[in-house]
Amino acid sequence: DGGITQSPKYLFRKEGQNVTLSCEQNLNHDAMYWYRQDPGQGLRLIYYSQIVNDFQKGDIAEGYSVSREKKESFPLTVTSAQKNPTAFYLCASIPDGDVQPQHFGDGTRLSIL
Amino acid sequence: GQNIDQPTEMTATEGAIVQINCTYQTSGFNGLFWYQQHAGEAPTFLSYNVLDGLEEKGRFSSFLSRSKGYSYLLLKELQMKDSASYLCAAMDSNYQLIWGAGTKLIIKP
Repeated sequence: DGGITQSPKYLFRKEGQNVTLSCEQNLNHDAMYWYRQDPGQGLRLIYYSQIVNDFQKGDIAEGYSVSREKKESFPLTVTSAQKNPTAFYLCASIPDGDVQPQHFGDGTRLSIL
Repeated sequence: GQNIDQPTEMTATEGAIVQINCTYQTSGFNGLFWYQQHAGEAPTFLSYNVLDGLEEKGRFSSFLSRSKGYSYLLLKELQMKDSASYLCAAMDSNYQLIWGAGTKLIIKP
C-alpha cells in the first residue's frame, strides 16, 4: 500500500548529539514537509521541499537540517544546536497540482536522555 | 500576522451533537482544512472548504464563511471513538498551512 513511513517511532537524544529522523513516501508526491508538535500547540513548520534538491526553511528551522536527494526521501536532522528538541515530529506530503490535503506519517517522538 | 483560534477543550455526550469553531486571519486564503488527531497518532484529513457554505460528509459537516474568517466542524451522533483533537488549518496565499492548536473533544457516556 502507498503511504508515508517515518522511523524510528521513538528516539532518544543525548546532549551534544545529532540525530536523524527518516521519512520515506511511495506516493510519488512532489512536496514534503516536516512539522513539530508540542503539547497543546498546533503544528509548526520546520522545513519543506517542493522538488528534489531544493528545500525551504519554515517558521522554526533553527537547529534543524534536511536534504532531498531523492523524491521519496526527506530526512530531518536534529542538531545539537536545537536546545529543546523534545517533541512529536510529523512528516507530510502532498501531490502536485490543485490544493490537496496533506498525508501524514505516523510520527517520531523524540526525547532527551 | 497570521492566526488561527479554536477552543482548547470541549466536552459532549455520546449520541449528541457538537460544534467546534475556528476563526482565522491569514495573508490571502486558499481554503480551510479540518483534521482529526487521536492521542499519539498522526492527523487524518476530515474536510476542506474553500467556498462559503456547508459541506456534509456522513456524521461530519464543515461550514465556512470567508467574509467572517470563520469555520466550524459539526459532529453528529457522537461516538466514543470521536474522542480526539480536532485541528483547524487555513491555507495562505503561498499555499502554506497555518495550524490552530487543536480542540480536544472529550466524549462522555
